[in-house]
Amino acid sequence: GAGVSQSPRYKVAKRGQDVALRCDPISGHVSLFWYQQALGQGPEFLTYFQNEAQLDKSGLPSDRFFAERPEGSVSTLKIQRTQQEDSAVYLCASSPDSYGYTFGSGTRLTVV
Amino acid sequence: DQQVKQNSPSLSVQEGRISILNCDYTNSMFDYFLWYKKYPAEGPTFLISISSIKDKNEDGRFTVFLNKSAKHLSLHIVPSQPGDSAVYFCAARAEGGSQGNLIFGKGTKLSVKP
Repeated sequence: GAGVSQSPRYKVAKRGQDVALRCDPISGHVSLFWYQQALGQGPEFLTYFQNEAQLDKSGLPSDRFFAERPEGSVSTLKIQRTQQEDSAVYLCASSPDSYGYTFGSGTRLTVV
Repeated sequence: DQQVKQNSPSLSVQEGRISILNCDYTNSMFDYFLWYKKYPAEGPTFLISISSIKDKNEDGRFTVFLNKSAKHLSLHIVPSQPGDSAVYFCAARAEGGSQGNLIFGKGTKLSVKP
């Protein structure tokens, strides 16, 4: 596609529920990134893939967060046993190198 | 402790005038800086960047200035247009750090009045 596609656009989850957020990067983009943006804050780095390899996961806030990109294209961010503090916009970005990031529109997760 | 700070949450400018958005950082290991623009319900869009070996980068109406000794950068938009109204984020990356790990400021909301 022409841009980075994220689905769903909005997700409401009950506390304790597991959620999976999908990112379709721009075709051919080697690098893929996940960021979390809380209300009134800037995006915060979660994790980074180069092809299927997860090179940096230092930003994942807890072991409830897990990301994968098994075939080096589509990526899924999974959050287990969601908590209210997980409510945020989750942004995915892709890049052909390490500089030209293109962000998707994000998934707004609300945990109730 | 915030490593990238945008101390002005909002800025209002008249159309045609200059908009100056400021950003301060604390980490001297940052070697690459970027500005992103964000409209509501959309992801951030890359605007302009600058490497730490430069002190100025210009692209059309947008110019970024870097003052390494002051650990300060600014984005100038001239002339400002109503379509420039958005939230602007400053971001930085550390030399030798993970290539994916950008540190963002909290953003400045720019309103350009017709």
